[in-house]
Amino acid sequence: GESVGLHLPTLSVQEGDNSIINCAYSNSASDYFIWYKQESGKGPQFIIDIRSNMDKRQGQRVTVLLNKTVKHLSLQIAATQPGDSAVYFCAEIPNSGYSTLTFGKGTMLLVSP
Amino acid sequence: DTAVSQTPKYLVTQMGNDKSIKCEQNLGHDTMYWYKQDSKKFLKIMFSYNNKELIINETVPNRFSPKSPDKAHLNLHINSLELGDSAVYFCASSQEFGNQPQHFGDGTRLSIL
Repeated sequence: GESVGLHLPTLSVQEGDNSIINCAYSNSASDYFIWYKQESGKGPQFIIDIRSNMDKRQGQRVTVLLNKTVKHLSLQIAATQPGDSAVYFCAEIPNSGYSTLTFGKGTMLLVSP
Repeated sequence: DTAVSQTPKYLVTQMGNDKSIKCEQNLGHDTMYWYKQDSKKFLKIMFSYNNKELIINETVPNRFSPKSPDKAHLNLHINSLELGDSAVYFCASSQEFGNQPQHFGDGTRLSIL
């Protein structure tokens, strides 16, 4: 389970609502972005990615929006379900040779039935 | 048919001991990684191997020694364990290095007494 005093930013929604999770990234040279979902006791699970030559990409019930002007990334989840409850991370890779994923701090999404 | 599998899932040991964590991927990927997730859920890259060759070492103490016997395996050996090593360690893999989704294992929770 979660540690006491974890204090992640938390978004609480009702089942069926649309959810929007936001992420600010710091490196203007980043050209690849990923959203991950992490359930308790599990590893991060890939949800959707987007490259810097796009500003929107849609998957099944999820949409990622990229605003390079303000270095902002968002994940929209349509018709949120209790199974969507998890911690969500954005991650970026700078456009520079050998680079690795840099993860954001994470947002906890809590979905009430 | 787990894609990225780590063993053990839990590891409880005393300060000063030496321990190893194993990781295997059956995705046919060329690149493997080790990440550390602290108590605040912050994920940070430790190492990256591409085709069994170390390409990233993110200022990790030399008590941590990764070993890649082949492309499908990346093990992590830790000498002289310290209290601050308590964390969840995740192995991941990607098809190639760079702008690629990374697939994570379910983590090894290391607790130092």
